[in-house]
Amino acid sequence: GAGVSQSPSNKVTEKGKDVELRCDPISGHTALYWYRQRLGQGLEFLIYFQGNSAPDKSGLPSDRFSAERTGESVSTLTIQRTQQEDSAVYLCASSFGVGLTGELFFGEGSRLTVL
Amino acid sequence: AQRVTQPEKLLSVFKGAPVELKCNYSYSGSPELFWYVQYSRQRLQLLLRHISRESIKGFTADLNKGETSFHLKKPFAQEEDSAMYYCALNGGATNKLIFGTGTLLAVQP
Repeated sequence: GAGVSQSPSNKVTEKGKDVELRCDPISGHTALYWYRQRLGQGLEFLIYFQGNSAPDKSGLPSDRFSAERTGESVSTLTIQRTQQEDSAVYLCASSFGVGLTGELFFGEGSRLTVL
Repeated sequence: AQRVTQPEKLLSVFKGAPVELKCNYSYSGSPELFWYVQYSRQRLQLLLRHISRESIKGFTADLNKGETSFHLKKPFAQEEDSAMYYCALNGGATNKLIFGTGTLLAVQP
């Protein structure tokens, strides 16, 4: 595709339910990032993939959060037993290769609302 | 700890006025700094990076290591500059950007 694609664009769920958020990076981009943006706050780093490996999971806020990437392509962020504080926009970004040029290409985000 | 601070949530200026969006960082080594921008209904995108020393859409930013700042400047604001601006830091071997909380620039006609 032409850009990073995320789905769903909007998700409303009830507290305690599990959700899956999907990211399709730009073809050929080996690095993939997940960020979270709560209302009125900056982008909070969650996890980074190089290929299918996640060398940096330091930003995952709790063990309810997990992510995987397969085929050096699609990534899924899973939030189990959602809480109201998980409500945020979840942004995915991808970039070329190892080593950061600074240009991350972002998706439009998945807006999660936990009731 | 690596941190990026953008002290202004909102900056409102008139068209033609100079603009300065403030960014301060905390990092003990040699940082790489960037400005990202998000226009209304568009994706977050790179505006400029300090290593390029470039001017994009009339914006420039100079890294001041003494003051640990990377302020974004434009001499004459245009209405189309209205957007959310994020300062970001890459602090070393980790391949991740640390973002500030962003500043909303509103350019009034």
